Amino acid sequence: AQSVAQPEDQVNVAEGNPLTVKCTYSVSGNPYLFWYVQYPNRGLQFLLKYITGDNLVKGSYGFEAEFNKSQTSFHLKKPSALVSDSALYFCAVRGLENGNNRLAFGKGNQVVVIP
Amino acid sequence: SQTIHQWPATLVQPVGSPLSLECTVEGTSNPNLYWYRQAAGRGLQLLFYSVGIGQISSEVPQNLSASRPQDRQFILSSKKLLLSDSGFYLCAWRGRDDTQYFGPGTRLTVL
Repeated sequence: AQSVAQPEDQVNVAEGNPLTVKCTYSVSGNPYLFWYVQYPNRGLQFLLKYITGDNLVKGSYGFEAEFNKSQTSFHLKKPSALVSDSALYFCAVRGLENGNNRLAFGKGNQVVVIP
Repeated sequence: SQTIHQWPATLVQPVGSPLSLECTVEGTSNPNLYWYRQAAGRGLQLLFYSVGIGQISSEVPQNLSASRPQDRQFILSSKKLLLSDSGFYLCAWRGRDDTQYFGPGTRLTVL
């Protein structure tokens, strides 16, 4: 079974400081990995994904994530956080077993960027 | 470009009343479609997914049902709502790039 762990409920960071949101996964075979962001009362917005290729993936709004196969991690990072980055962040994984049409989502991390 | 619509945006319903939430996708054909519920808190729960017209897979046995009467239409229904059905309902479609794209959501409050 595929699963995602986002160990921290909330991440607080000062504006201008680096932001990291942690994600580890469990899946059979090679994973497809995704990050989404959700603002209050909105749907999830796609930020970036890893399917194959370069382990460092760059996405929207200055975010990037690094795929680490040995540590089964896919942490989301931003070099300099903005107040507008305050939101709920979800990591998701899809295994590549046949007929798998589902994503497994983590519980989400609330990011609070302090002015 | 592709867009996904959900309506209504908000809904307040009494316990025991029926429910119908609609999701439509534009700009693509034969997409995989998904219904999720996000309860207060944050976690996403997959309720149903569909790979084609009339093909529905149920992930969690409960008070809800889904139908796909047309290629780009996905409907979530209930005959009798429970208090526990309150939540934020999200529809998503899967693109050819294997990414799921989400609609704006429906906030359902059951009183």
